[in-house]
Amino acid sequence: DVKVTQSSRYLVKRTGEKVFLECVQDMDHENMFWYRQDPGLGLRLIYFSYDVKMKEKGDIPEGYSVSREKKERFSLILESASTNQTSMYLCASTSGGEYGYTFGSGTRLTVV
Amino acid sequence: AQSVTQLDSQVPVFEEAPVELRCNYSSSVSVYLFWYVQYPNQGLQLLLKYLSGSTLVKGINGFEAEFNKSQTSFHLRKPSVHISDTAEYFCAVSINYGQNFVFGPGTRLSVLP
Repeated sequence: DVKVTQSSRYLVKRTGEKVFLECVQDMDHENMFWYRQDPGLGLRLIYFSYDVKMKEKGDIPEGYSVSREKKERFSLILESASTNQTSMYLCASTSGGEYGYTFGSGTRLTVV
Repeated sequence: AQSVTQLDSQVPVFEEAPVELRCNYSSSVSVYLFWYVQYPNQGLQLLLKYLSGSTLVKGINGFEAEFNKSQTSFHLRKPSVHISDTAEYFCAVSINYGQNFVFGPGTRLSVLP
């Protein structure tokens, strides 16, 4: 089975800190995605990547950046964390639309 | 822009009763359709998918869904729910068979004893 691993399940950070959320997949998928999930708002796409060193903005990229130096790893970076970035962050990967997405377990980030 | 509508944000149902969770999408082009389930504090898991062929699709945990092209719907059903089915359910669409999906807002299913 494809596995998508997010390094932390729960994270608490202070306002202004630089935060790294890591995501690793083990099935050689080209496509990787970062979403945030908030009550009543569903899943919102932050950034995605179709290949190494490639990135595309999603619907809500402000305040975030990403890095994809290796095919299996897609990192989400909060340059200066703010309280409105408190959320559940979900990473996903796929090799193509017909396979659907495989999601990680999520990282619940709290910024205080 | 493409959109996915899940008309019911919350669905309470008694254990062993049938349930239908509704999903409609707005697209005139070809799509793949998916249902995902999310248990508390977990990621999303694939329940089932429609790619082509038979419009009735069976998935895990006794769920099934029916694709209706004319009504652009993909409703999820289970004939008898269990307490363990309590979760949030998301409908998703892959537009033009692409790798970018559009997700619905989710339906919270609560199964009551």
